[in-house]
Order: sequence, then C-alpha cells, then structure tokens
Amino acid sequence: GDSVTQMEGPVTLSEEAFLTINCTYTATGYPSLFWYVQYPGEGLQLLLKATKADDKGSNKGFEATYRKETTSFHLEKGSVQVSDSAVYFCALGSSYKLIFGSGTRLLVRP
Amino acid sequence: GAGVSQSPSNKVTEKGKDVELRCDPISGHTALYWYRQSLGQGLEFLIYFQGNSAPDKSGLPSDRFSAERTGGSVSTLTIQRTQQEDSAVYLCASSLAESSYNEQFFGPGTRLTVL
Repeated sequence: GDSVTQMEGPVTLSEEAFLTINCTYTATGYPSLFWYVQYPGEGLQLLLKATKADDKGSNKGFEATYRKETTSFHLEKGSVQVSDSAVYFCALGSSYKLIFGSGTRLLVRP
Repeated sequence: GAGVSQSPSNKVTEKGKDVELRCDPISGHTALYWYRQSLGQGLEFLIYFQGNSAPDKSGLPSDRFSAERTGGSVSTLTIQRTQQEDSAVYLCASSLAESSYNEQFFGPGTRLTVL
C-alpha cells in the first residue's frame, strides 16, 4: 500500500541554519504531496503542497519539490528561525485520505 | 471564518466506559475525516464521510469504534468499552470535496486518556 517515510528526529539547529527534512514515498499513480506543520499546543496546519511531478510548493520560506524519479518531497528552508520549532509531517493524498509520515521534530536554538 | 472545532479538548475516562467525541467542520465543507495521533502509531486515518454517500470505515481499528455524521455537518466519533490503547489525540478534518488535491483543514483535536 501507499506509504511515507521521513527522517527521524529530533533535528536541532541554530538560528539561521539551513534545514532539510527528507521525505520519500511509495504510491501507485501520482499522488499529491503535502507538508503539514504542528506548532506546540496547536493543530495541524498545511505548510505547502505539490500536485504533480516537478511542482515546487513554497510557503513562509519553506520549499519542497515533487521528484517523481526519486519519489521524494524533501522540505528545505534556507535560514530557520526559533519560531519554526515544530513537528513537521510529510503526507501523500491517497484517493481522498492523507497518509502521513511519522513526523520530524525541529528545534531551533537562538 | 471559523475553523474546524472539536469537543471536548480533553477527556479522561476509565477503562470500559464509552466516550463520544464531537467535530464541527468548516461550513460548506462536504468531506469530513477522522484521524488518530498516537505515540506508537503516528497519524492514522480512521473514517471518512462525503455528502450522503456511505462512509469509508476502513481505518477503524475495531468494532468498538463507530462514527456518524448528522445532516451532512456535525460528526460524532464513539468509542465503546474504552481500552488503554485507545489513548490518543483524535483529530477531525474537513475539506471542500473528496479529492487528494484538496487541502484538509484540521481541528485542534481531542486528547483522550483512558485510565
């Protein structure tokens, strides 16, 4: 069945460091891909999405490119801030439901 | 506008008791989903409603779990004879339509603790 694998956390970075969180998927067909973020004490929010191969989703300085050849959707940000500390979930749209990765906790230190 | 709301925010219950969790989706959203977030299992799909169609219950972990959606809006997830392994955060989401392209908007969740 469809599945998502993302890198284990926690990831600890200093402010202004470069961030990469790896995400790979297994799916039949061409699913939509998403990154959701969960800030401390808050609900899940959509961060960005891509609906077809080579699409780049971007939001709040974060980017991810849908790579069909490597079945990947890695999340990147050039310069992280303390306020980016959160848990990040990669997900794919499998028909109508979302299949999530296990989540990666990011901690950004001042 | 108002987002997805869920109640209660926290629920502590004793093993063997029944619990009901409520979800109010965003007005106009025809699709409604329940997910469960637990330490051991991550985020997993439970059940999906779309309009008047029969719900997809394929993610429900046992027959102790059931859900209904009245009038195409509010949904209730019921867990009968709760067990300790049911302890988790139960998340509700809604979207404009059933499509893998459509963003699902999540509620804040109900944290269930079974003692």
